[in-house]
Amino acid sequence: DTGVSQDPRHKITKRGQNVTFRCDPISEHNRLYWYRQTLGQGPEFLTYFQNEAQLEKSRLLSDRFSAERPKGSFSTLEIQRTEQGDSAMYLCASSLSRGQGTEQFFGPGTRLTVL
Amino acid sequence: AQSVTQLDSQVPVFEEAPVELRCNYSSSVSVYLFWYVQYPNQGLQLLLKYLSGSTLVKGINGFEAEFNKSQTSFHLRKPSVHISDTAEYFCAADRGSTLGRLYFGRGTQLTVWP
Repeated sequence: DTGVSQDPRHKITKRGQNVTFRCDPISEHNRLYWYRQTLGQGPEFLTYFQNEAQLEKSRLLSDRFSAERPKGSFSTLEIQRTEQGDSAMYLCASSLSRGQGTEQFFGPGTRLTVL
Repeated sequence: AQSVTQLDSQVPVFEEAPVELRCNYSSSVSVYLFWYVQYPNQGLQLLLKYLSGSTLVKGINGFEAEFNKSQTSFHLRKPSVHISDTAEYFCAADRGSTLGRLYFGRGTQLTVWP
């Protein structure tokens, strides 16, 4: 098991462009989370999937953001019409639901820079 | 909403000295607590977690933390740090909902000097 992987690791884009990030969770993990981390802050929750169902979205996830997990395996996070305020590290985590307090395993993150 | 407060944004310490990184949470309901470490250009790695039972929790790399319900604290400690412990440390809480989302503190940058 190679852990949670994310692609790309870095993305530089111009304001107004669309970007898409991919997350591959640990195989057989049914839960998948997206977090955003800005400089000097801890990760903030964006959205959560259980299998292919998106069960919760944060208020941070504006209409320009969309996430999918079509087959309950990998997930994509798309940002449309990027803004400079979208510049951040986007973290993906996965876990296997075994009751409450289950450990989440994090990927290395995708660092987005919007010029 | 659940909030996690890390009282120190930066903690400098000399090698082989003891260290304590402070974390307080605000909640009157059951909560599960975690400490994660983030090395440069890497994802978060779990150090330890408190779910229930003994209030003293031991983790990897010689770290331990003590859950104190009356003070709503979950401070992280290590008796003797190494230069390799230099990293960002995050305290996080799970309120015990079925969703399992984590609420993170702002992080504490631990810098160990030779």
